[in-house]
Amino acid sequence: GESVGLHLPTLSVQEGDNSIINCAYSNSASDYFIWYKQESGKGPQFIIDIRSNMDKRQGQRVTVLLNKTVKHLSLQIAATQPGDSAVYFCAENLGDYKLSFGAGTTVTVRA
Amino acid sequence: EAEVAQSPRYKITEKSQAVAFWCDPISGHATLYWYRQILGQGPELLVQFQDESVVDDSQLPKDRFSAERLKGVDSTLKIQPAELGDSAMYLCASSLAGVDGEAFFGQGTRLTVV
Repeated sequence: GESVGLHLPTLSVQEGDNSIINCAYSNSASDYFIWYKQESGKGPQFIIDIRSNMDKRQGQRVTVLLNKTVKHLSLQIAATQPGDSAVYFCAENLGDYKLSFGAGTTVTVRA
Repeated sequence: EAEVAQSPRYKITEKSQAVAFWCDPISGHATLYWYRQILGQGPELLVQFQDESVVDDSQLPKDRFSAERLKGVDSTLKIQPAELGDSAMYLCASSLAGVDGEAFFGQGTRLTVV
């Protein structure tokens, strides 16, 4: 079946470096995507979203890139900080405001 | 800052017992979701409400799970009887109707069935 998934389950990054988290999706009809951050013991927290009529969107220290040709989504975090350590999920809006989540990437920031 | 409130935070129950979780969404949010998150996985939608009506409960195991949102505000998710495989985090989220995306999540209820 169609699903949203992440390429790598874990990512270790040096503090101050940039992080890139990848996500592949298979539902070509999806027109809206969201990145969430989940810290241990907490619910997912919205980071940034992007619609399919865009290929790039920037927020504060974060950038989301969308490549519809290869159905690929990425989240870039600039100057990664210890507080960025968390699990990151990409989510796909299947319509009727229903979100489908991938399995997540655990980001660990090394001091 | 407005938050989605969930209780309890943690629940331990014996298998075959009944258990219930409560969620109070952000005021004014017409859409309410219950998700289940198994350790190490992403959240999976169990049920979605629009006001007091169920929009999608296709993934809800209806033989043992039930959900209601009687007045279109807070919601309860019940499991009866609980099974060992139900151990997970149960997350509630809410969003403004008619607005794509940003669903706000609560802290979740961590259920352990023993």
